[in-house]
Amino acid sequence: AQTVTQSQPEMSVQEAETVTLSCTYDTSENNYYLFWYKQPPSRQMILVIRQEAYKQQNATENRFSVNFQKAAKSFSLKISDSQLGDTAMYFCAFVFSGSARQLTFGSGTQLTVLP
Amino acid sequence: GAGVSQTPSNKVTEKGKYVELRCDPISGHTALYWYRQSLGQGPEFLIYFQGTGAADDSGLPNDRFFAVRPEGSVSTLKIQRTERGDSAVYLCASSRTLSNTGELFFGEGSRLTVL
Repeated sequence: AQTVTQSQPEMSVQEAETVTLSCTYDTSENNYYLFWYKQPPSRQMILVIRQEAYKQQNATENRFSVNFQKAAKSFSLKISDSQLGDTAMYFCAFVFSGSARQLTFGSGTQLTVLP
Repeated sequence: GAGVSQTPSNKVTEKGKYVELRCDPISGHTALYWYRQSLGQGPEFLIYFQGTGAADDSGLPNDRFFAVRPEGSVSTLKIQRTERGDSAVYLCASSRTLSNTGELFFGEGSRLTVL
């Protein structure tokens, strides 16, 4: 069974600064996808960024980028130029590329962007 | 619809009562997922549907939980003889196909409180 660990329950960052959220995972599979989802107070989970395990290049989406270290099973999220609207819970998640379809989520990191 | 719609947004019930939670997915999405999110935790998989059939219900915690999707669109999660431990946010998500890429579109969830 796979597990996803987020060791930072809470983090804060000043507006316009950069922050990195950590995630580690454990799996014996070789083909999978990793994700960061954002959950604002509205409770709606929103996909922030996705990484295919077979790709060595780190994914980037505007101000969001990841540092994917497959051998270390590490998948951190970097948010540049933090904005007040980035305040939310952030969840790291994992899914097999094979027959399993369900996402496995970490316990989340509450990020607060301070003005 | 434009997004995944879940009703009710909040439900308070007494221990032992029966509860139904409804999910209306994005129009044209054939895959539908239910997750449960307990306080301070990440979402946990319950069940997913491809069309009308439950493709995987391995996440349902016990036989008090049941879900249907009779016409391949709207789904209802049913909980019998509710217990205080059932209190959580129940999230529904949909995707265009039975996606293994994690690009799920979530609703805002139904918060269930069992007194």
